Amino acid sequence: GAGVSQSPSNKVTEKGKDVELRCDPISGHTALYWYRQSLGQGLEFLIYFQGNSAPDKSGLPSDRFSAERTGGSVSTLTIQRTQQEDSAVYLCASSPRTGFNEKLFFGSGTQLSVL
Amino acid sequence: RKEVEQDPGPFNVPEGATVAFNCTYSNSASQSFFWYRQDCRKEPKLLMSVYSSGNEDGRFTAQLNRASQYISLLIRDSKLSDSATYLCVVNIGGGSYIPTFGRGTSLIVHP
Repeated sequence: GAGVSQSPSNKVTEKGKDVELRCDPISGHTALYWYRQSLGQGLEFLIYFQGNSAPDKSGLPSDRFSAERTGGSVSTLTIQRTQQEDSAVYLCASSPRTGFNEKLFFGSGTQLSVL
Repeated sequence: RKEVEQDPGPFNVPEGATVAFNCTYSNSASQSFFWYRQDCRKEPKLLMSVYSSGNEDGRFTAQLNRASQYISLLIRDSKLSDSATYLCVVNIGGGSYIPTFGRGTSLIVHP
């Protein structure tokens, strides 16, 4: 079956523009996670969804960041008024359910470059 | 103090060597532990879970030391294809289902 799909794979934007990043999880997976990874750094948690609700948004860096998930499937991460420090790889992962023993399946990420 | 800490390396070893990485975690309530592997410019993929009793998968052995709050990964008979970054992941559980990643340890296996 298909894995986690993210689009676009690469996005170059100008400072101050808004961007939308999309994640299509594995069919049937109820949990969905967004992380970002800056060059040479570890994965920084942003937000996770259980179904369509986001129990924990504590990782969102600022109010310029928002995310939603509809139909228990596709999720969109939106960054408004992008800044150069937003440049990173944005990774989405899904798992069959939330739980501390669940394995994460990652998409290949969106490389965001803010000029 | 970071929640999950790893030596970033790089660990540079010859083929056939045995190499070990450690990862420490700060929250004693942590419930589950994993090692993921990340190749250059690729997404992380699960390598193995880490059980209280320790577990082995071929050349890879993972162990958990709850008293000292660390997990370890041992790779025997290293292959060139083992070159990657190894990410330690800890999940606190208890209602918080957020896998927390360490920064990763880079391994380079040379001929």
